[in-house]
Amino acid sequence: QVQLQESGPGLVKPSQTLSLTCTVSGGSISSGGYYWSWIRQHPGKGLEWIGYIYYSGSTYYNPSLKSRVTISVDTSKNQFSLKLSSVTAADTAVYYCATRTNSGAFDIWGQGTMVTVSS
Amino acid sequence: SYELTQPLSVSVALGQTARITCGGNNIGSKNVHWYQQKPGQAPVLVIYRDSNRPSGIPERFSGSNSGNTATLTISRAQAGDEADYYCQVWDSSGGVFGGGTKLTVL
Repeated sequence: QVQLQESGPGLVKPSQTLSLTCTVSGGSISSGGYYWSWIRQHPGKGLEWIGYIYYSGSTYYNPSLKSRVTISVDTSKNQFSLKLSSVTAADTAVYYCATRTNSGAFDIWGQGTMVTVSS
Repeated sequence: SYELTQPLSVSVALGQTARITCGGNNIGSKNVHWYQQKPGQAPVLVIYRDSNRPSGIPERFSGSNSGNTATLTISRAQAGDEADYYCQVWDSSGGVFGGGTKLTVL
């Protein structure tokens, strides 16, 4: 059973780049059928899809964040990563990594990591 | 962009049936997925592709989707079902979530 674990700084300064990593265990990130995804949740609010990457490297981003988002995969470490540039307080949220299967559903989620943007 | 509309809150008596709706333009033509999120926890998939239950999800959870409304039905509601529920679809612009519904079990 695939498991996901997010890691990265819990505090980022405004205008800097938020960087998070999701470590995949119990399966290979190179196996087909999974779209490795990032989703965030602002405090007390709903869920917002950020984007995903397929193991081949193809990506798909939320248009509202596309200009600031990069998702990449490191098959040697069985990890995938999120970079969000030029952050503001509005990017303060819990960030989840998740797998999207061919059904279109996010069936496995990490526990989430809180990132606060503040000077 | 595509929008999904959910009621902010739904209440149900213990042991009764709760129905949570998710409205969207011609949502019946899309695959709808439902997630349960308890406080401080990550969401859990409870229904995928309108009406399919992942392994480990009780049969009390069911789903339907037609026209402009998808519905998550929770039969014989239990105290442990109290949570936020989100619907989700894919649109030309990507993944879209509903605003979420807080289910209260009385």
